[in-house]
Amino acid sequence: AQTVTQSQPEMSVQEAETVTLSCTYDTSESNYYLFWYKQPPSRQMILVIRQEAYKQQNATENRFSVNFQKAAKSFSLKISDSQLGDTAMYFCAFMKIQPQESKLTFGKGITLSVRP
Amino acid sequence: DGGITQSPKYLFRKEGQNVTLSCEQNLNHDAMYWYRQDPGQGLRLIYYSQIVNDFQKGDIAEGYSVSREKKESFPLTVTSAQKNPTAFYLCASSITGPTLYGYTFGSGTRLTVV
Repeated sequence: AQTVTQSQPEMSVQEAETVTLSCTYDTSESNYYLFWYKQPPSRQMILVIRQEAYKQQNATENRFSVNFQKAAKSFSLKISDSQLGDTAMYFCAFMKIQPQESKLTFGKGITLSVRP
Repeated sequence: DGGITQSPKYLFRKEGQNVTLSCEQNLNHDAMYWYRQDPGQGLRLIYYSQIVNDFQKGDIAEGYSVSREKKESFPLTVTSAQKNPTAFYLCASSITGPTLYGYTFGSGTRLTVV
């Protein structure tokens, strides 16, 4: 079974600064998908960024980028120019590439606070 | 607009009662999921369904039941056998099979035992 580990329960960052959220996972698969989801105080889950393990290039979405280290099984999220609206819980998630199945396994999440 | 709707937003249950949480989607997704969220526990999979009239247990299915009679609907019943049902419940949907689109989530139901 796959496991996703987010070892930092909480982080804090000053507005406009950069912060990196860590995520590691355990799998014997060679290809899979990885995701970061954001859950703001409204509790609505929002997809932030996604990465296919088969692709070496790190994904980027505006101020959000990942550092994907396949050999180390690490998938960290970097948020540049942090904004107050980035205050949320962030979940790392893993999807095995298996026919007819699309289950997501989530980490325990990290609470990020952006200070004004 | 297409989306996924969970109701009610807040639900209170007395000890020993069964309650049903509603989840409806109009995204034409074949797959639907129920997750439970507790502080410090992340999201844990309760049940999932890849197609109508079929569903599978997730990691924490004990004390819960589901049905999938229609593509659009995937209700979750929290039975009296669930010992600690107070939690936030999230429903999600996706296309069948692995996808980089991930899931679309509902806005959740907060269940409290009183």
